[in-house]
Amino acid sequence: GIQVEQSPPDLILQEGANSTLRCNFSDSVNNLQWFHQNPWGQLINLFYIPSGTKQNGRLSATTVATERYSLLYISSSQTTDSGVYFCAVPDNYGQNFVFGPGTRLSVLP
Amino acid sequence: SAVISQKPSRDICQRGTSLTIQCQVDSQVTMMFWYRQQPGQSLTLIATANQGSEATYESGFVIDKFPISRPNLTFSTLTVSNMSPEDSSIYLCSVDSANTGELFFGEGSRLTVL
Repeated sequence: GIQVEQSPPDLILQEGANSTLRCNFSDSVNNLQWFHQNPWGQLINLFYIPSGTKQNGRLSATTVATERYSLLYISSSQTTDSGVYFCAVPDNYGQNFVFGPGTRLSVLP
Repeated sequence: SAVISQKPSRDICQRGTSLTIQCQVDSQVTMMFWYRQQPGQSLTLIATANQGSEATYESGFVIDKFPISRPNLTFSTLTVSNMSPEDSSIYLCSVDSANTGELFFGEGSRLTVL
């Protein structure tokens, strides 16, 4: 089945710093999502981005489907950005989503 | 986007007991998905619940341990049966948008088994 990798696994930032999170996937996809899981466990949709670039405030994402990767950019990080960031893509049958292992972000005041 | 409510949000359970988690969606959806997230891990799909038919379970998950009901197009339950400490996890209900395939999640149910 499709494999999803994320890097880095852990990231510690000072408040105000910028960061880039990466998601690699092993097969072509027509759908990709980024999620933020806050410290209380809730999963928040960040981007639905099968291709191209999208921006939402301090966050933006780019997916290059032909090269099988997606990037999530966080600018001017805040302590509320802390948590785990997951990317997810459909499995080979297009029925279910496969999640990457996540990047755990800690933003220090 | 769909609004998904889960109950309970958290619970502490005794070994050997069973707990049923409820998931309510604010719109009719064909498929509902149940995920498990063990401590420090990513999300793993348990099963897909279609209204009017048996749930489809992923490898490693069985109906006797995780029975699922799907009585209508807006509601589903997941039961975690005969719990052990290894079942301590966050259980999440999700649906996908019929138009875009975007996945939405409930708040999750955090279970701790003693």
